[in-house]
Amino acid sequence: QVQLQESGPGLVRPSETLSLTCTVSGYSISNAYYWGWIRQPPGKGLEWIGSIYHSGSTYYNPSLKSRVTILVVTSKNQFSLKLSSVTAADTAVYYCVRLLGGNDEIDYWGQGTLVTVSS
Amino acid sequence: QSVLTQPPSVSGAPGQRVTISCTGSRSNIGAGYDVHWYQQLPGTAPKVLIYGNSNRPSGVPDRFSGSKSGTSASLAISGLQAEDEADYYCQSYDSSLSGWVFGGGTKLTVL
Repeated sequence: QVQLQESGPGLVRPSETLSLTCTVSGYSISNAYYWGWIRQPPGKGLEWIGSIYHSGSTYYNPSLKSRVTILVVTSKNQFSLKLSSVTAADTAVYYCVRLLGGNDEIDYWGQGTLVTVSS
Repeated sequence: QSVLTQPPSVSGAPGQRVTISCTGSRSNIGAGYDVHWYQQLPGTAPKVLIYGNSNRPSGVPDRFSGSKSGTSASLAISGLQAEDEADYYCQSYDSSLSGWVFGGGTKLTVL
C-alpha cells in the first residue's frame, strides 16, 4: 500500500521560505509517475503547485513558478517543496500527491499539513 | 479564479439525482484531456471518485457516474444519501499552462 506523509514547520514568518518534505512508503519514487504538491487555503479550493517526474523533470504552476522549487531525494524516497517569500496568502493545507501521468488522476494523497504564515 | 468552472453549491433530497458541471476550454477539456472527479469529506484529503471521464475506482458505488462532451464534463450522483454530503472537485490537464488544473469545487448538501 502506497502512503505519503508530509512533514515540516506549521508556522512560517512572512517573507521567509516554506519548506516541506513528503516521505513515500510502499513504492520507490524513482520507478515511475509524477510526484507533486497541491494546496488548499482554509475554506477554499484546490490549487496545483507543481510536480516532479520520476526522472527529475519539474513542472510548476505559472502563478507560483518564480517562488517554487521541488526536488527529489531518491536515497530517502522523499521529495520536497520550497516556496520562497511567503505571505499570508500562502497559508493553506499542503498535500503531497502521486499523479499517474500527465493526463491521469491523482491516485494517492498525503493527509495534508496546515502551514500558517504569520509573524 | 479557477481554470475549470463549477457551480459553488448543489443540493438534493435523499434518493434524488443531482449533477455537477465542470466547464473548461479548448486548452484543457476541449483539447481532449481527461476529466477526473474527487470527493472531499470534511477534514480529510480528497479521494478520486471518477477517473478518465467516466471510470469508477473499485469501491466507488455505481450511484456515481461521469461524462464528458466538448469543453465540459459532468458528475452525476443518483440515489442521494446523507453520506454523499461533501465537496466535489473536477481536475484536468491544461496545455497552455503545462500543468494540472482544478475546478473551484462544489459543495453538495443533502437536504
